[in-house]
Parts: sequence; structure tokens; C-alpha cells
Amino acid sequence: GAVVSQHPSWVICKSGTSVKIECRSLDFQATTMFWYRQFPKQSLMLMATSNEGSKATYEQGVEKDKFLINHASLTLSTLTVTSAHPEDSSFYICSGNDGNSPLHFGNGTRLTVT
Amino acid sequence: LAKTTQPISMDSYEGQEVNITCSHNNIATNDYITWYQQFPSQGPRFIIQGYKTKVTNEVASLFIPADRKSSTLSLPRVSLSDTAVYYCLVAPSNQAGTALIFGKGTTLSVSS
Repeated sequence: GAVVSQHPSWVICKSGTSVKIECRSLDFQATTMFWYRQFPKQSLMLMATSNEGSKATYEQGVEKDKFLINHASLTLSTLTVTSAHPEDSSFYICSGNDGNSPLHFGNGTRLTVT
Repeated sequence: LAKTTQPISMDSYEGQEVNITCSHNNIATNDYITWYQQFPSQGPRFIIQGYKTKVTNEVASLFIPADRKSSTLSLPRVSLSDTAVYYCLVAPSNQAGTALIFGKGTTLSVSS
């Protein structure tokens, strides 16, 4: 149980454009989901906590106007990277749980900004 | 959230048992210890979780001493496919709304 599906698995976009990443909990409802970013050879860094029906909470140093998070339902959270630049190229991973199981992670989205 | 310390890297050969130790001196009473495995370009995968003594599942064992200030993940008879990064984390167990803060993890390299 507690499967998290993330889409797309990889995306290439041009500098200045926006990209949306979807994170779905397939067999549980997640009041809260989390977004992480991981650069090559580094650990996962928590970007924000996504709360269903309310505004996300961002970690220090993460621009909320650049990384738009929407958690419209108990099974879907989206991360939109707005006006993407090459330095936003990274591996983005979402996660969530229902409180009855460990945190489960999506398979990540590799974003490359050219 | 409690900070954890684990070796940056470990090397092993196929068929050997691998033990990865994690220190968490400031673990709180309501914290559990959880281990994740991550392959390149994939999200972390849950391996095992425990609170005290010993926990075993089909892939690993977790040993936790009485003071809970450390824990050891034991992987029996590793294979090449166990080459991955292993993360030790401590946090209140399974609470919805509780994020996990990752440390650097241990890169395990298994050779033939």
C-alpha cells in the first residue's frame, strides 16, 4: 500500500518556460505531501510541505513564487516550476503517507532546463 | 528532528553481510528509526523501521540497543543490485504531516 505516483518522470524545457509536475497518492489519502529536490551526488532537500486545501509551507531559501505548489485534493499535489532557468535543473521527488505507514516517495522527475 | 550520522561510503562483495551503523544521540522518546534505500534517478524506497531491540523483514534486519542512540541496518548476503545509497532517519513514526529530513546517507558499493 501507500503508492505515490509522480509524472512526468523526466522533462526538458527551455529557459523561461514553466513546468508542472504531478504527484498522486494512488491508494491512500494524503492531507499532507512533501516536495524534495536532489542535486547530483547530494542528499534530498526538503523544499516545501503541501497541505490539502491551504497554502504550502516553504523551507527557508525556497522561493514560493517560483515553485508554485497546489494541493487541490487529498490525492493530488502539483509543483510548477515557473520561469525555469538552468540552475533549476534537478531531480524533484514528492512523498506522502496516510499516517498509518512510513513516508512513501514517488519515483521522481528529472527536470532539465536548456 | 534528530540528526543522524552514518558512514559516507562502504564497500562489500557479493554474498557478504553488510552492517551500516547510524548514530542518533539526540533521538526523542517518540522517535522511530527508519531506513530508506535509493537507487540513482529513483525516489527513496522504504526498507525497515523500528523503535527498539530488533526488527527483521524479508530484506533486512534492524538492531537497536537499549539506549537507542544508534542503530545498525544489516543486509544479509548482498548482491550487486544492493549497490545504492542508504539513509537512516529518525522521526515520530508514520505521523501524517511529518516530513523526513535526510542526511548524507551511506553509499554502498557491492562488487563481484
